[in-house]
Parts: sequence; structure tokens; C-alpha cells
Amino acid sequence: RKEVEQDPGPFNVPEGATVAFNCTYSNSASQSFFWYRQDCRKEPKLLMSVYSSGNEDGRFTAQLNRASQYISLLIRDSKLSDSATYLCVVITVTGGFKTIFGAGTRLFVKA
Amino acid sequence: GAVVSQHPSWVICKSGTSVKIECRSLDFQATTMFWYRQFPKQSLMLMATSNEGSKATYEQGVEKDKFLINHASLTLSTLTVTSAHPEDSSFYICSARGGQTYEQYFGPGTRLTVT
Repeated sequence: RKEVEQDPGPFNVPEGATVAFNCTYSNSASQSFFWYRQDCRKEPKLLMSVYSSGNEDGRFTAQLNRASQYISLLIRDSKLSDSATYLCVVITVTGGFKTIFGAGTRLFVKA
Repeated sequence: GAVVSQHPSWVICKSGTSVKIECRSLDFQATTMFWYRQFPKQSLMLMATSNEGSKATYEQGVEKDKFLINHASLTLSTLTVTSAHPEDSSFYICSARGGQTYEQYFGPGTRLTVT
């Protein structure tokens, strides 16, 4: 089992749609969680941190469920510019700092 | 967010030559820098992690004698691809983390083509 697994995608949605991505992690000792977005042929950029209490930034909401070991990203009112690959990132500090990137989920938003 | 630069942004070199890529944190001190490689339509692959002033820790399968990493200061890390071969052609991206935070900030990447 991979340490971090994401929905395989791709997700094809029309503009204005709501889309949700899930990501599961295997190490219960993981401490920090992030969502990054990566545009084609560009570097990943930090989208938002993920907390158990939830984190909302405009149309984006991220949630962490420690009991089930998954994190989610919800995008409301999708825009064409949201088309990108979304990467789930899990950080473990116990036993040595370790950052694990998910393979990413590709999102296509169409007019 | 924090700014990380990389240079060069793209490079074409002949097989057998060496290429050095620089990664700089511009507005923060990077206690840890990471080097990744990404092939087309594939996910990021961590190559090595370096802490300022110490030897880099390489991931399994990454040849440390081929990919030389130096992290001489809190704002600069370099990756040298030695005796490059066409199969080394890839998108190399660095990232940096500073202080007590866990977020990584990525450089814009270097596209290497070995002919």
C-alpha cells in the first residue's frame, strides 16, 4: 500500500461545478497535511494547509479526518483556471522528518 | 509565500558533460532543501534532502556520486548532474523549508535536456 494515495482522476467537470478530492495516508503518526496545485510544466504551489477543524479559503475547503486517515479538498464553483493537478502532501516528523507527495489528481474544468 | 529561485530555468547539454543547478531561498533561511525530479505526466520523485552544512540524504535508487548536492549556506543549495546521459533529461525542482514550519516552497524548476 502506498503511503499516500489519491483519487486517480482525471476529473472532468463543467464550470460552476463542485468537485471533491480525497487522499488517504497510511502512517497514523503523520502530523501535517497540505494541498498543492501543479500546473502543466510548472512547479507545485502551496494551495492550503489542512486541519482537523477544517480550513476554508474562498471557494476551497480542506478537511482532515485523523480517525479515518484521510484528507479532502472541496472546490466550489469551479473555474477554468482551476484546471491543474492537485497534490496531497503528508508530513511525518516522528522518526525523522519525511514529506510524502501523493501522485496527484488531474482536474479539467471545461466551459 | 516564501520565494525560491532556481537557475537555470532550462539547459541543453551534451552527453557526458556535467550540469549544475542552483536553488536559492530569497526571503527566508532554508534549513532544509529538497531536490525532486519529475518526468512527463509522472509524479514528483524525491531525490535527496539536504540540511545546511551537512551531507545530503539520498533516496533509495538515487546515485549520490552522479547527483552531487551541496547545501553550503542557509540560502543556497546546488545539484550537479555529473556525466549526464539522455535518460537524465527531466524536470528538476528544488524546494525549501525554513525554521519550524513544515510547508515547502518550490523553485520554478529546471528543464534539463541531454542530447
